[in-house]
Amino acid sequence: GESVGLHLPTLSVQEGDNSIINCAYSNSASDYFIWYKQESGKGPQFIIDIRSNMDKRQGQRVTVLLNKTVKHLSLQIAATQPGDSAVYFCAENLLNAGGTSYGKLTFGQGTILTVHP
Amino acid sequence: NAGVTQTPKFQVLKTGQSMTLQCAQDMNHEYMSWYRQDPGMGLRLIHYSVGAGITDQGEVPNGYNVSRSTTEDFPLRLLSAAPSQTSVYFCASRRSLLQGNTIYFGEGSWLTVV
Repeated sequence: GESVGLHLPTLSVQEGDNSIINCAYSNSASDYFIWYKQESGKGPQFIIDIRSNMDKRQGQRVTVLLNKTVKHLSLQIAATQPGDSAVYFCAENLLNAGGTSYGKLTFGQGTILTVHP
Repeated sequence: NAGVTQTPKFQVLKTGQSMTLQCAQDMNHEYMSWYRQDPGMGLRLIHYSVGAGITDQGEVPNGYNVSRSTTEDFPLRLLSAAPSQTSVYFCASRRSLLQGNTIYFGEGSWLTVV
């Protein structure tokens, strides 16, 4: 079946290092992909998204890479800070039969990122 | 701008009780949805709505009802609570069906069914 999953459930890095969080997906017809950050006790917050016709997109300190050949998505965080400690989810946006996105996100399990000072 | 507001934040129910989780957004968003999040799992879609008067089922709809009488509100009803419904519930909204519109989540409602 269709699924979105993460390779690594936990990631520990030192402050200042770069972090890479990975995600695998199985539905090649996906519309686009979104990364969310969820801090303890809060709802997910949008970080960055990428459409299926793109390979790379950059934001502030974050970069998302999409490899459609191997159905792989990654989130790179530059100069990771303690405030980046959170659970990171990738989500896959599926299309309906008419090709319209209804925001029916399929989420992966999440990766816990811990940043040590 | 309050964004997406969920109430209550915490609730304990006895098995068989019913209750309603409230969700309101003040951004005039067309699309609203409810997710549940269980330990070690990602969010799973319960129900969603693409506009007032229109609702549809998501991945895990059993045991839940929704209605969308106004653009602003999207309540989630638990008809007869079961321990399996112990979870954190998130309401989300999105401006429109156009691809790329950001989805905004509420702060969550922690529900325990005993």
